[in-house]
Amino acid sequence: AQTVTQSQPEMSVQEAETVTLSCTYDTSENNYYLFWYKQPPSRQMILVIRQEAYKQQNATENRFSVNFQKAAKSFSLKISDSQLGDTAMYFCAFEVGDMRFGAGTRLTVKP
Amino acid sequence: SAVISQKPSRDICQRGTSLTIQCQVDSQVTMMFWYRQQPGQSLTLIATANQGSEATYESGFVIDKFPISRPNLTFSTLTVSNMSPEDSSIYLCSGKETGGGNGGYTFGSGTRLTVV
Repeated sequence: AQTVTQSQPEMSVQEAETVTLSCTYDTSENNYYLFWYKQPPSRQMILVIRQEAYKQQNATENRFSVNFQKAAKSFSLKISDSQLGDTAMYFCAFEVGDMRFGAGTRLTVKP
Repeated sequence: SAVISQKPSRDICQRGTSLTIQCQVDSQVTMMFWYRQQPGQSLTLIATANQGSEATYESGFVIDKFPISRPNLTFSTLTVSNMSPEDSSIYLCSGKETGGGNGGYTFGSGTRLTVV
């Protein structure tokens, strides 16, 4: 069974600084997808970034980037130049056929 | 990418009654999923809804309690049956897009259910 672990229930960062959210996963699969989703109080799940396991290059999307370490089964999210609008729950997710989520990290960006 | 309209956005229901949640997608999706989320917690997969066949339920969830319909590639419903206060939660649907889109998955905005 696939499991996703986010070991940081809560984190905070000053506006304009950089923060890294951790995620590890366990699987026997070789081909899969990893995601980071953002969920603001509106409840809407918003895709932040996606990584295909067969790609060695780390995905980037503007201020968001990942550090994907396949051998270590690690998938951390780095948010650069943090903005107040980044305040939300962040979920790491693993997909092979269906999507499984970690417990989430509540990120607060402080002015 | 696809957009999912989920209704109702919230409801307060009496115990013992049933509520049907609907999700309408503006384009075809191969698979649809139903999740439960306690406030401030993670999403737990209830079942996978496939068109033309019975839904596949995860451990701890049964069809009699959470019947699901998937009559076509753009629509699905989840019914929460014989509700008790323990069923109070947020329920979300998700669709896996056929063409990849924004990463393959899109989500409804959730239904906040309170059982009294």
